[in-house]
Amino acid sequence: SAVISQKPSRDICQRGTSLTIQCQVDSQVTMMFWYRQQPGQSLTLIATANQGSEATYESGFVIDKFPISRPNLTFSTLTVSNMSPEDSSIYLCSDEGAEGAFYGYTFGSGTRLTVV
Amino acid sequence: AQTVTQSQPEMSVQEAETVTLSCTYDTSESDYYLFWYKQPPSRQMILVIRQEAYKQQNATENRFSVNFQKAAKSFSLKISDSQLGDAAMYFCAYGGSEKLVFGKGTKLTVNP
Repeated sequence: SAVISQKPSRDICQRGTSLTIQCQVDSQVTMMFWYRQQPGQSLTLIATANQGSEATYESGFVIDKFPISRPNLTFSTLTVSNMSPEDSSIYLCSDEGAEGAFYGYTFGSGTRLTVV
Repeated sequence: AQTVTQSQPEMSVQEAETVTLSCTYDTSESDYYLFWYKQPPSRQMILVIRQEAYKQQNATENRFSVNFQKAAKSFSLKISDSQLGDAAMYFCAYGGSEKLVFGKGTKLTVNP
């Protein structure tokens, strides 16, 4: 299965600023996903990123707040813009895996974001 | 829309004992996948075990096995010979024609 390198692993940011999170996959994958995990909660899908097309956002998430880039089949970024304390969460990226969905989704190690 | 329910927010088990984590789901799809993921304090989501809906045989991975009851839409995880390293959040997840859907998780504590 693929290995995903995610960075930064954690950051403390001032409100009103932006943070860009990067995920690098060690193989080419069609679909990548970005999740938010609020403290003590489950994972909520933010958006699906396909290479060469606009990301598809889930209800409650908008591109202006969470712009996503997917410049090639091994890389994606998520930016958390104009941050507020409510954005303090763990953010995770994942991919479906080159072998298909059944073989499980591989996740990055997560970014713990604290907004002060 | 598909939903996944984990009714046990927390569970505990003695080291070397067996514990079962419950998961039910709701779907109208006939072909789908089910997963159990483990998330230790390191935050890394680790795939524990997977099951394809059309397979009647329950999946097994070393000390981890599932009881998949398709008609009842139930997908429980059994951990045998529990180890201290098994302590983590466990998430049940449904993968169908759309996005991966997670349950709220069960926090497993392993007591020495």
